[in-house]
Amino acid sequence: DGGITQSPKYLFRKEGQNVTLSCEQNLNHDAMYWYRQDPGQGLRLIYYSQIVNDFQKGDIAEGYSVSREKKESFPLTVTSAQKNPTAFYLCASSALAGGPRKETQYFGPGTRLLVL
Amino acid sequence: LAKTTQPISMDSYEGQEVNITCSHNNIATNDYITWYQQFPSQGPRFIIQGYKTKVTNEVASLFIPADRKSSTLSLPRVSLSDTAVYYCLVGDVDSSYKLIFGSGTRLLVRP
Repeated sequence: DGGITQSPKYLFRKEGQNVTLSCEQNLNHDAMYWYRQDPGQGLRLIYYSQIVNDFQKGDIAEGYSVSREKKESFPLTVTSAQKNPTAFYLCASSALAGGPRKETQYFGPGTRLLVL
Repeated sequence: LAKTTQPISMDSYEGQEVNITCSHNNIATNDYITWYQQFPSQGPRFIIQGYKTKVTNEVASLFIPADRKSSTLSLPRVSLSDTAVYYCLVGDVDSSYKLIFGSGTRLLVRP
């Protein structure tokens, strides 16, 4: 069963705590992405990675960090520096990391992060 | 920076055809136009993608005029389950990897 999995579905963060959101894909995709979605809003890009051991900041990277040690995994850490982390977080992947912008992004089911 | 403009919301009734138009005046020459559907608390789902003229698949059609400054997603005979947010996407002219998500169009299908 191919696809993108995210865990956990819900995550609670205490003040000053770092939390890590998991994203795994078995589609053999090169590129992976993290987005944040606030209520009633579109998606905003946090980080993206085109190949293993390389990633770039998106539009709202402050307070977040990522790693790409394996092709199939792209975890996102929400650090204590992110003062307003409550949101819906979506991970996506696409087949090619370059060339014509035709490659479709496939999304995971999302993780909802709430602050206690 | 390519940007898209869509209506904030649309209402329809079951069985009707719905057309959602998106404007993208600054689309790059080699950019495709992609539409996604999103239900509450779920990830967006790919609907259709096109470069020019008309594309049709089992769920929708996409019409793109010659100047490619706009596109229209057509959903034939909508049902209640088509109630969702629909996003039109084009690439970022400064990056081949970034897609620009606007606020989307909230479609409400009534019985």
